Formats: sequence, structure tokens, C-alpha cells
Amino acid sequence: AQSVAQPEDQVKVAEGNPLTVKCTYSVSGNPYLFWYVQYPNRGLQFLLKYITGDNLVKGSYGFEAEFNKSQTSFHLKKPSALVSDSALYFCAVRDGNYGQNFVFGPGTRLSVLP
Amino acid sequence: EAGVAQSPRYKIIEKRQSVAFWCNPISGHATLYWYQQILGQGPKLLIQFQNNGVVDDSQLPKDRFSAERLKGVDSTLKIQPAKLEDSAVYLCASSSGTSGRGSYLSGELFFGEGSRLTVL
Repeated sequence: AQSVAQPEDQVKVAEGNPLTVKCTYSVSGNPYLFWYVQYPNRGLQFLLKYITGDNLVKGSYGFEAEFNKSQTSFHLKKPSALVSDSALYFCAVRDGNYGQNFVFGPGTRLSVLP
Repeated sequence: EAGVAQSPRYKIIEKRQSVAFWCNPISGHATLYWYQQILGQGPKLLIQFQNNGVVDDSQLPKDRFSAERLKGVDSTLKIQPAKLEDSAVYLCASSSGTSGRGSYLSGELFFGEGSRLTVL
């Protein structure tokens, strides 16, 4: 069965600084990886995904993520954080070979300080 | 394009009462999911539908939870009787694609705003 770990409950960065939100995963087959963002009292919004191809994927709002197969990681990054990026971020994985469902990580709360 | 619609947004009930949540997915999306999100945790799958058939309900507490998608479009999730530990946000999501590989597996989920349930 697949699983996702987000080792940091909370990440704090200053506005304008780069940010990284970490994610590691475990699947039996090929990983399909996703990042979602959740603002207060809202549903989850899709940011980006890795299915195949280039290890660096770009998504919405200037976010990008790097797939690292050897480290089984899919860290979310942004070169310059905005206060409006403050939210809850979820990493999710799906096993591409076995058609299992999405499994979400526990979430990381990002706080961007002005 | 209209997003995933859910109602009600908020519901407060007492334990042992019943509650129902409704979801209308994005038009044309064959796959519909119900997730439970307890405060401070990631979403947990309750049930997945492909058109009007159940694909996965292994984590649905069937003694008290039920869900249906009769016409392959909108869906209802019911809890009866509710327990205190059912307090959570119930998220509906949909995705395009069929039950085969490819777009079904690689397609992202589109979520509704959620229905927040408080059981007193």
C-alpha cells in the first residue's frame, strides 16, 4: 500500500525568501505525485503533478516541485514566497501500476511572515 | 466551467441524529469521491464511484455511513446515527477519465468546498 509523509507540521518563511515544503512517499509501482493547497474553510486546490518526464514540474501560482526517485521525494518549492501563500499544503500519491486511490499526507502549514 | 458543488456547507447535529450531504461533480466527470478530513489530518477516502457503481468503499464505516450515486451524476452521503468522532469536513471530489489506465490514473482531483459537520 502507498503512503505519504510530510515531515514538517509547520514551515515558516519570510516574505520574499524561497520556500520548501517536504514530501516523501512509498509505492510499489510507478508513483503519480500531486500537490494540493487548502485555504481556511475551503476545499483542496490542485497545484501541480508529476506523472512522467522531466523531474522538475511547474504549477500554479509560481510553485514547482522536484521528483527525486532515489530519495522517493517530491518537495514543493517556490523561489520567492508571498504572504498570500500562507495555507495548508498536502502531498498525495497514487500508484500508477496498480490503480490504487489517492493517499494524502497529513499536511504542512505554511506561514509566510511579512 | 462550474466546479464541484456541495451542500450544506455547515451542519450541527447531536449524536445519534442523522445527516445527509449532497455533491454535484463537474459536468462529464465519471469518477466521484467522498473524503473525510478530520481537523489536523489529511483527507481520508470513504468511497469512490465510477459512474453509478462503487469502485472502493473499503474504508466506509458501513454500519453508519451510506452513499449513493443513482444516476451517475450527483451523490449523497448519509450518516445515521452520528457519533462524536464523525465531526469532520466531508469533501467531495471528481475527476475525468474512465476506469482504464492513463487519464484516469494521472488525472487530478477537483474538490468541492466541503461540508463541515459538528456532532455534539
